[in-house]
Amino acid sequence: DQQVKQNSPSLSVQEGRISILNCDYTNSMFDYFLWYKKYPAEGPTFLISISSIKDKNEDGRFTVFLNKSAKHLSLHIVPSQPGDSAVYFCAASARNQGGKLIFGQGTELSVKP
Amino acid sequence: DSGVTQTPKHLITATGQRVTLRCSPRSGDLSVYWYQQSLDQGLQFLIQYYNGEERAKGNILERFSAQQFPDLHSELNLSSLELGDSALYFCASSTRGQATNEKLFFGSGTQLSVL
Repeated sequence: DQQVKQNSPSLSVQEGRISILNCDYTNSMFDYFLWYKKYPAEGPTFLISISSIKDKNEDGRFTVFLNKSAKHLSLHIVPSQPGDSAVYFCAASARNQGGKLIFGQGTELSVKP
Repeated sequence: DSGVTQTPKHLITATGQRVTLRCSPRSGDLSVYWYQQSLDQGLQFLIQYYNGEERAKGNILERFSAQQFPDLHSELNLSSLELGDSALYFCASSTRGQATNEKLFFGSGTQLSVL
């Protein structure tokens, strides 16, 4: 049972344009959501997060939007840069599961110059 | 550098064998997590330890076991290895391992190849 789903395995955008990565979840107990970024031969690194009491969180070029009724979140990167090319993982956690994160399958973003 | 150290970086072994993966968490972190990333799969949660005690268990096979030692480093033992166990195994750590708003810090992983 895949509780966190990223249905797009890959995304290609032009440098300077907006990148939108999507994530859906099924568990209504999730109350914290995170995005991690992974470069080849490295472990995932934290990018941005959002609590379920909010619908938007912004950090520089990165904004995460949460739609609880649709059980959907998205990551917007504006403007996209070639250095943003990586695999992006969506993750979620629930209060009754301690610090454990449930991850999606990942979306590989390619930003072309 | 996340501060989480995993050894070895690469491991090649044969079916039926047993291997041990090692993880040293960030200084001060009490909780350790193990994840498996197979081809075309996301990061699958295996198991979590907090201050030496098992805290949560995910889809970990009975052939796999883990422990966290008094110095807080952790080992993941994989036995009776099968071809399908070939994957990237990540260790992560966090400060308390209890709060939902904690970030996990990941090591760079151990690539296991079972031939």
